[in-house]
Amino acid sequence: DVKVTQSSRYLVKRTGEKVFLECVQDMDHENMFWYRQDPGLGLRLIYFSYDVKMKEKGDIPEGYSVSREKKERFSLILESASTNQTSMYLCASSFRGPSGGFFGPGTRLTVL
Amino acid sequence: GENVEQHPSTLSVQEGDSAVIKCTYSDSASNYFPWYKQELGKGPQLIIDIRSNVGEKKDQRIAVTLNKTAKHFSLHITETQPEDSAVYFCAASTQTSGSRLTFGEGTQLTVNP
Repeated sequence: DVKVTQSSRYLVKRTGEKVFLECVQDMDHENMFWYRQDPGLGLRLIYFSYDVKMKEKGDIPEGYSVSREKKERFSLILESASTNQTSMYLCASSFRGPSGGFFGPGTRLTVL
Repeated sequence: GENVEQHPSTLSVQEGDSAVIKCTYSDSASNYFPWYKQELGKGPQLIIDIRSNVGEKKDQRIAVTLNKTAKHFSLHITETQPEDSAVYFCAASTQTSGSRLTFGEGTQLTVNP
């Protein structure tokens, strides 16, 4: 069974804190993605990675950075959390080339 | 870049009826169109997909149709059941974008028993 796991289901942080969201996949997928999901806005791509140590900006990268040191792990970093980053964060992975991929269960982040 | 619009945003049907969700896309180079189902408290799950060299694809009660000329694709669910209630997302990607998907805004489907 394909598994994409995310480090936390729920997270509460204070404004200005540095936040790390971790994602691990066990399918040897080349591609990994971070999305945020907000009501009425669908899923918006923050960053993605096609390979180890490789990263590309998505549609809304401001305020975020990522790290991919190992193929199975993709981390999303909020350098200085702000209240407008309160959201559901979803990680996904897929094989190279157009494919649907698999999503993790999501991390609901609240920034106070 | 690609833009995907999805309609309707909410859809309520009676159990046993059919449900249809429609999406349009802007980039004529788009060639892969997946559909996802997201149940409450879970991540989206791929339920069916279609590639641009195919006009229709079926999987039991679910079917997807693609009209490349009009740049729209649709999800059809027949004989709906209460467990079909969820949020459904369409998406599109192009060969040049690799696996990068652009998503529609989602449709909340409610199947009433």
